[in-house]
Amino acid sequence: QVQLQESGPGLVKPSETLSLTCTVSSGSISSYYCSWIRQSPGKGLEWIGFIHSSGNTNYNPSLKSRVTISIDTSKNQFSLRLSSVTAADTAVYYCARLLGYSLDYWGQGTLVTVSS
Amino acid sequence: ESVLTQSPGTLSLSPGERATLSCRTSQSVISNYLAWYQQKPGQAPRLLIYGASSRATGIPDRFSGSGSGTDFTLTISRLETEDFAVYYCQQYGTSAGITFGQGTRLEIK
Repeated sequence: QVQLQESGPGLVKPSETLSLTCTVSSGSISSYYCSWIRQSPGKGLEWIGFIHSSGNTNYNPSLKSRVTISIDTSKNQFSLRLSSVTAADTAVYYCARLLGYSLDYWGQGTLVTVSS
Repeated sequence: ESVLTQSPGTLSLSPGERATLSCRTSQSVISNYLAWYQQKPGQAPRLLIYGASSRATGIPDRFSGSGSGTDFTLTISRLETEDFAVYYCQQYGTSAGITFGQGTRLEIK
């Protein structure tokens, strides 16, 4: 059973950089794409981007200028960096496995609040 | 970029009834690229249907997906109490990445 777990600060100041890590247990992340998705309070799901162990990435055009997703296959982890955050970036951030064309395993999510 | 529009926004039904949820895309979608998720309060989304009509592992057979082109449907044949949740459709685009619909809230009548 694949399990994903997000970790990182729950509070980030405006204009700073949000950094989260997703640790995957059971199975190598080299075999599929690793994705980040977020959900603002009371809102729908927004895809942020994904990465493959080959280094291939794809980002949501609306966030592309501020997003970097990286991967460390030796640790079975992948990470998200979102720069210049504002209150609009307050959300629950999920990591998930993209297998084929759908997201079959998700982390439990972590709430990140942007506030001074 | 293809936009996904789900309807209705909210669906009020009773346990035992049949639920029909719609997902319409602004551009034709390859069926393999269309999925459905269920999300309950405080939980991560759960994959229900992939490839428009294939049930994910462990999903009861009362859930079914259908459709092609720009019109897709998620049907729950006989609602059980645990099925009341929010449902999202999702498409994969080779250049645009992943897009979600805005969701349909299925509530107990």
